[in-house]
Amino acid sequence: EDQVTQSPEALRLQEGESSSLNCSYTVSGLRGLFWYRQDPGKGPEFLFTLYSAGEEKEKERLKATLTKKESFLHITAPKPEDSATYLCAVHKYGNKLVFGAGTILRVKS
Amino acid sequence: DSGVTQTPKHLITATGQRVTLRCSPRSGDLSVYWYQQSLDQGLQFLIQYYNGEERAKGNILERFSAQQFPDLHSELNLSSLELGDSALYFCASSVGTLSTGELFFGEGSRLTVL
Repeated sequence: EDQVTQSPEALRLQEGESSSLNCSYTVSGLRGLFWYRQDPGKGPEFLFTLYSAGEEKEKERLKATLTKKESFLHITAPKPEDSATYLCAVHKYGNKLVFGAGTILRVKS
Repeated sequence: DSGVTQTPKHLITATGQRVTLRCSPRSGDLSVYWYQQSLDQGLQFLIQYYNGEERAKGNILERFSAQQFPDLHSELNLSSLELGDSALYFCASSVGTLSTGELFFGEGSRLTVL
């Protein structure tokens, strides 16, 4: 069965304290892995797409990496405005996007 | 603002009733996706339409149905509602298929079934 597992469920950081979020997956026919950010009461907002192991993408304080079994979202020197739920999703053959449960990130100043 | 419009934003109804959620995709987007988000299940894919035709189906209950109209707006119909159907329902759109992963999500319709 296809599974996308994100860890930790919740993460509290001090402003400037770098860390990483993990997304591990067991999906047949993987076509891509995506990261989204979701603010409370809002729809998810697209961040990155990764297609193959070894690929990296960066945007401001965020960097996403991909291996054959997992992806990491590295947050460097986070700020309070980075507080959100971060969702990863895998695009599998059959045009379906399977989301993980998300990691709730809180950054305190 | 993603450009995807969903109505209504909030809806409270009773068990056994039927509701219709509406979605207008971003201008130029041909694909519309429906997702259900609840606290215990996360974001669950329901169904996708591309230019009026059903393209992919997820865990959509038989009591739920959807369609995409010639003007590309979409409606999700939920019938014989149960308490467990209470959730946030998101619509998302994209230009084509999922190849780039960039879906644009609306702000959701929060359904409460009492």
